[in-house]
Amino acid sequence: GQNIDQPTEMTATEGAIVQINCTYQTSGFNGLFWYQQHAGEAPTFLSYNVLDGLEEKGRFSSFLSRSKGYSYLLLKELQMKDSASYLCAVRDRDYKLSFGAGTTVTVRA
Amino acid sequence: IAGITQAPTSQILAAGRRMTLRCTQDMRHNAMYWYRQDLGLGLRLIHYSNTAGTTGKGEVPDGYSVSRANTDDFPLTLASAVPSQTSVYFCASSVSSGGTDTQYFGPGTRLTVL
Repeated sequence: GQNIDQPTEMTATEGAIVQINCTYQTSGFNGLFWYQQHAGEAPTFLSYNVLDGLEEKGRFSSFLSRSKGYSYLLLKELQMKDSASYLCAVRDRDYKLSFGAGTTVTVRA
Repeated sequence: IAGITQAPTSQILAAGRRMTLRCTQDMRHNAMYWYRQDLGLGLRLIHYSNTAGTTGKGEVPDGYSVSRANTDDFPLTLASAVPSQTSVYFCASSVSSGGTDTQYFGPGTRLTVL
């Protein structure tokens, strides 16, 4: 199984940068996903990492270190619409996803 | 519009009643999943299906059953609902269960068991 930890809440100012950390312990690693979930809505896919390094997608970047069991999601040039919960999910050797409890990011003007 | 639909949107159910949550996707995805989401616990996998005709148990399968008679539909049944099954239920699908295939989520069903 997986043990996935991420901070519960983070607050940042519009235009700033926020980094959401995720640590995991797994018996078999097969990829790490980040999802965004606005209140009352379904999760939507943001990024996928399976090899070490940084993946950049516009204002969002995701980093993975498999040896450290560590990932982060970087949100740049924060906008009010980025206020949401961000879910870290690890896929195991059986291709099943385990999710962290999520990090609620609040963007203030 | 292509995607995943779930029904009902929300439901209040008396304990002991039987309930089926419906999930349909029109993307011809092979793999489908059912999760429950509870405050502070995140999404937890209940059951999954890698392809039509096959199903498997996730992290929290007790009290739930599923079937996958065809590619598009993946209903979740609570045989005898209990209050601890109060949750938001999300159905998801992906092209396959491996590779870079990401999961796409339906809008969710909010279930309250009294």
